[in-house]
Amino acid sequence: GAVVSQHPSWVICKSGTSVKIECRSLDFQATTMFWYRQFPKQSLMLMATSNEGSKATYEQGVEKDKFLINHASLTLSTLTVTSAHPEDSSFYICSARDSGDTGELFFGEGSRLTVL
Amino acid sequence: QKEVEQDPGPLSVPEGAIVSLNCTYSNSAFQYFMWYRQYSRKGPELLMYTYSSGNKEDGRFTAQVDKSSKYISLFIRDSQPSDSATYLCAMRQSNSGYALNFGKGTSLLVTP
Repeated sequence: GAVVSQHPSWVICKSGTSVKIECRSLDFQATTMFWYRQFPKQSLMLMATSNEGSKATYEQGVEKDKFLINHASLTLSTLTVTSAHPEDSSFYICSARDSGDTGELFFGEGSRLTVL
Repeated sequence: QKEVEQDPGPLSVPEGAIVSLNCTYSNSAFQYFMWYRQYSRKGPELLMYTYSSGNKEDGRFTAQVDKSSKYISLFIRDSQPSDSATYLCAMRQSNSGYALNFGKGTSLLVTP
């Protein structure tokens, strides 16, 4: 099946630094990608919808200047957590929608961010 | 009230048991319903995808949707220890741009 790759799978950073997470669709084109955040024992919460070549659409309560999303190509979207703080520590998961006939959504393996 | 409600469990069953997982929802505009399995520290994996009310079977898994009651279920027959994971229900509207609304997930443990 289709594969969505996230990198890095885990990262530890100091408070105040920025961290970039990449989401790649490996064998299909994805005009739309979604970024979710998941806290322990909680559901996946949609942060933003990323559309190739245009600005991302953020969900209510998600700071667009803190969580920068770039979707520069049909196979790559990036999420940058700027000036990270301990409360940003979470599991970030992307999903990509196959632009082909199936329209199926595929999820990445997730990236665990720990901010010290 | 959250749009999608799911009992987080944990649910512990012996190997071979039939497992029943459920979600309720409040938004009648939801048209597509999915069940995902998530192992610890991994991304969700799609198990079942349904659109209409009724049952859909795939191997040991059966998904059931009752739109009139706003209730969906996932049944696992002959459960195995490898089925131990968190099961998330998800749903979306037809015009939502494919963004999903997830339940909190139910943690399942199948003991040998």
